[in-house]
Amino acid sequence: QQQVKQSPQSLIVQKGGISIINCAYENTAFDYFPWYQQFPGKGPALLIAIRPDVSEKKEGRFTISFNKSAKQFSLHIMDSQPGDSATYFCAASKETSGSRLTFGEGTQLTVNP
Amino acid sequence: DGGITQSPKYLFRKEGQNVTLSCEQNLNHDAMYWYRQDPGQGLRLIYYSQIVNDFQKGDIAEGYSVSREKKESFPLTVTSAQKNPTAFYLCASSRRGAMNTEAFFGQGTRLTVV
Repeated sequence: QQQVKQSPQSLIVQKGGISIINCAYENTAFDYFPWYQQFPGKGPALLIAIRPDVSEKKEGRFTISFNKSAKQFSLHIMDSQPGDSATYFCAASKETSGSRLTFGEGTQLTVNP
Repeated sequence: DGGITQSPKYLFRKEGQNVTLSCEQNLNHDAMYWYRQDPGQGLRLIYYSQIVNDFQKGDIAEGYSVSREKKESFPLTVTSAQKNPTAFYLCASSRRGAMNTEAFFGQGTRLTVV
């Protein structure tokens, strides 16, 4: 049972463009929504996270938008750079489960120079 | 440097053999996790442990076993009962008791059945 669905599976963006990755979740008990960035052959690293009491969180060029009623959240990468080329995973967890994360399928982002 | 160390980076296994993947952390984290990564499927939880000498099955525990004898160590054994073990295995750790804390991942072990 896939509780977090992520799209698109792959994304190609030109340098300077906006990259948008979307996720939808089913479990209304989820209350923590992180995004992880993974480079080839490496482990994922936390990029940015949001809790459902806010609708948007911004850190530098990265923004999470959260729509609680639609059970959707998205990652926006502004002014995308070739160094952003990586696989991005959305995830979700609930407070009582600590870091027992449920991950989306991942999006492979390629930013062309 | 604080972090999570997984070894080996690459591992080859013959069919019918058990293999053990190592995971060590020096972050003083109570909780540790094992995830399996396959292309197009994200990361799936195999086992997790919130405290020493205690662990729970995740979503895909069949064919795997773990132990948690020390806070710093959480080895994963891939047994011969695991029908499709070729994958990228990731170990993670986090603080316990704090709400939704960041999970720190190791660099992974790529297991290939030959």
